[in-house]
Amino acid sequence: KAGVTQTPRYLIKTRGQQVTLSCSPISGHRSVSWYQQTPGQGLQFLFEYFSETQRNKGNFPGRFSGRQFSNSRSEMNVSTLELGDSALYLCASNQGTRSVGEAFFGQGTRLTVV
Amino acid sequence: AQKVTQAQTEISVVEKEDVTLDCVYETRDTTYYLFWYKQPPSGELVFLIRRNSFDEQNEISGRYSWNFQKSTSSFNFTITASQVVDSAVYFCALGGLNRDDKIIFGKGTRLHILP
Repeated sequence: KAGVTQTPRYLIKTRGQQVTLSCSPISGHRSVSWYQQTPGQGLQFLFEYFSETQRNKGNFPGRFSGRQFSNSRSEMNVSTLELGDSALYLCASNQGTRSVGEAFFGQGTRLTVV
Repeated sequence: AQKVTQAQTEISVVEKEDVTLDCVYETRDTTYYLFWYKQPPSGELVFLIRRNSFDEQNEISGRYSWNFQKSTSSFNFTITASQVVDSAVYFCALGGLNRDDKIIFGKGTRLHILP
């Protein structure tokens, strides 16, 4: 069974640009959650999608958005990038019927904003 | 407010030693889940354990054991006979019982196992 796949693995963007990150969950999983990991703030929850609907949201500005497609794949978009958006972005999937904590994580996309 | 504190930022031990990673949490909820994850250098978080607040029994899985004490709001993780492969960042997390509850992570403890 393939794991959670995140693309791209590494990304370098310039301030003010926008970026889209992709996450393909484990087959059969309907819930996808996104997290931002930085050395200073640690792991912070961004949002969770279940069956194409945002089910929960963290405390991030509106520049951070996401969506989920009918095949459960999810994308995360960050507009007007700031230097502070440099982070490892992790995606996690689970069946959606269990606690969001019991999730399988991808290896992340490391975003560097210059 | 919910909060998870991992006071140990970084720990180094020599291989085969036992090591305990501390986790203290705060929540007003009476029912909740606690989790531990391992993040190896490759980046993905690996789920290790989930503990329901109803169940204060300690758990052992091979060289790993967890000590949940509701009275002190702690959920500590012990690795016995540590191995170099245990080197990673370990996160403690707190979440609700509902399937759509988000989880709150601690800042993590970076564990170095020295050969």
